[in-house]
Amino acid sequence: SAVISQKPSRDICQRGTSLTIQCQVDSQVTMMFWYRQQPGQSLTLIATANQGSEATYESGFVIDKFPISRPNLTFSTLTVSNMSPEDSSIYLCSVVPMNTEAFFGQGTRLTVV
Amino acid sequence: KQEVTQIPAALSVPEGENLVLNCSFTDSAIYNLQWFRQDPGKGLTSLLLIQSSQREQTSGRLNASLDKSSGRSTLYIAASQPGDSATYLCARRGRDDKIIFGKGTRLHILP
Repeated sequence: SAVISQKPSRDICQRGTSLTIQCQVDSQVTMMFWYRQQPGQSLTLIATANQGSEATYESGFVIDKFPISRPNLTFSTLTVSNMSPEDSSIYLCSVVPMNTEAFFGQGTRLTVV
Repeated sequence: KQEVTQIPAALSVPEGENLVLNCSFTDSAIYNLQWFRQDPGKGLTSLLLIQSSQREQTSGRLNASLDKSSGRSTLYIAASQPGDSATYLCARRGRDDKIIFGKGTRLHILP
């Protein structure tokens, strides 16, 4: 199993600013995943964060808007840059330890005003 | 494009009924399939995980099945209760470890 600590749990931010979300796992994992859940929607994969290499982004998501760091095997950050109200969502990190189920952080509820 | 589709999008049933939620996926080369529950404003709660080599998993009143060849999974809820009201999400894990979610089924159990 894996326990994920995600911070902050929520924030209200001004448009044009940036927010960095942190994700800490209690065990070493090769890949960490970042998701977005827009209001009333399901989860959409933003990118895969690998330690020691650049993150891999899904279609529709770019590094300039969502830069990701992965300095070690237990930690990752996602930054939401130059925010607009359309970025208001829940952002979640996830890990999938070998041969087990996926584990998710409790999410960061972001509101951009 | 790998997709996960859930039907129905919403469902309301009287308490006590048995019900089935459906999930279909386009890529049969899956590693496993996982069903989650999400209450309003809350995070994800994992319900059942089915490995690609398995056909079903059971936990209490919940039973999930997997048919890789047809690209389908079902979540069966027996003797539904008002506390079962939530959004149920189906998620497919591929060989690349990416997890792709369906849009979910919003379930409302009527007391």
